[in-house]
Amino acid sequence: EPEVTQTPSHQVTQMGQEVILRCVPISNHLYFYWYRQILGQKVEFLVSFYNNEISEKSEIFDDQFSVERPDGSNFTLKIRSTKLEDSAMYFCAFRDRRNAIQYFGAGTRLSVL
Amino acid sequence: AQSVTQPDIHITVSEGASLELRCNYSYGATPYLFWYVQSPGQGLQLLLKYFSGDTLVQGIKGFEAEFKRSQSSFNLRKPSVHWSDAAEYFCAVGEKGYGGSQGNLIFGKGTKLSVKP
Repeated sequence: EPEVTQTPSHQVTQMGQEVILRCVPISNHLYFYWYRQILGQKVEFLVSFYNNEISEKSEIFDDQFSVERPDGSNFTLKIRSTKLEDSAMYFCAFRDRRNAIQYFGAGTRLSVL
Repeated sequence: AQSVTQPDIHITVSEGASLELRCNYSYGATPYLFWYVQSPGQGLQLLLKYFSGDTLVQGIKGFEAEFKRSQSSFNLRKPSVHWSDAAEYFCAVGEKGYGGSQGNLIFGKGTKLSVKP
C-alpha cells in the first residue's frame, strides 16, 4: 500500500495561533484530500485538491482554512487562527490515479488549548 | 444527501468467533463502497472495496464484505476473529461522481471492535 507521511503526529497550540499540517505522499499523485475526525465523531471531508487547486470543499472548510502544495511534493493544510473546536485528528489522503482508492496517512492530532 | 450508517457503536466478540459489522448507505446509483480499519494511533487502512461485479469481495486480513443492493448494505464479515483485529472499523461510500476524476468519501461513525481472549 502506498505510503503517506504526515507531520507532526501531534500538534499542541494556543487558541488564535496559526498551524500548518504537512503531508508527503511517496508517489506523485494528482488528487489530494484533507479529512478531519473530531474525537468520538465520524471522519469528515474538508477539501480536495486537484491539479494544484481546490476542486471541492465542505462547509467546514471556511476562510480560516487553506491548502497548498508549496514545493510540488508537500501538501499542507493551514488553519489561520485556531479555535477550540478545531481540535481533532486531521488526515491527509491521496487518490491513486490507476484506480479510485484513497490512501490515508496516520493523521495529525491537533490540540487547541 | 448521501449518508452511511453503522448502527453498532461498539461490539465485543470472543477470539475465534465470527464477526459481522453492519453498514447501510443511502445512494441512488451503484455506489463505490469501502471498509477502512483504524488501529490505535494508526491511520486509516483500506480493508476492501466494491466498485462493481461480484457482490462478495475479499479483502486483507481474512475479511470479506457483501454488497446487497436490495438492502442498501455492505456488511463486513470475518469467520474467525483474532485478538489483533481489535480496532475501529469505518464504512465509507464515494460521493456522487466519485468514479470520475474527483469525489470525496462519506464515512459512517465507525464501529469499535473489542476482542475477548
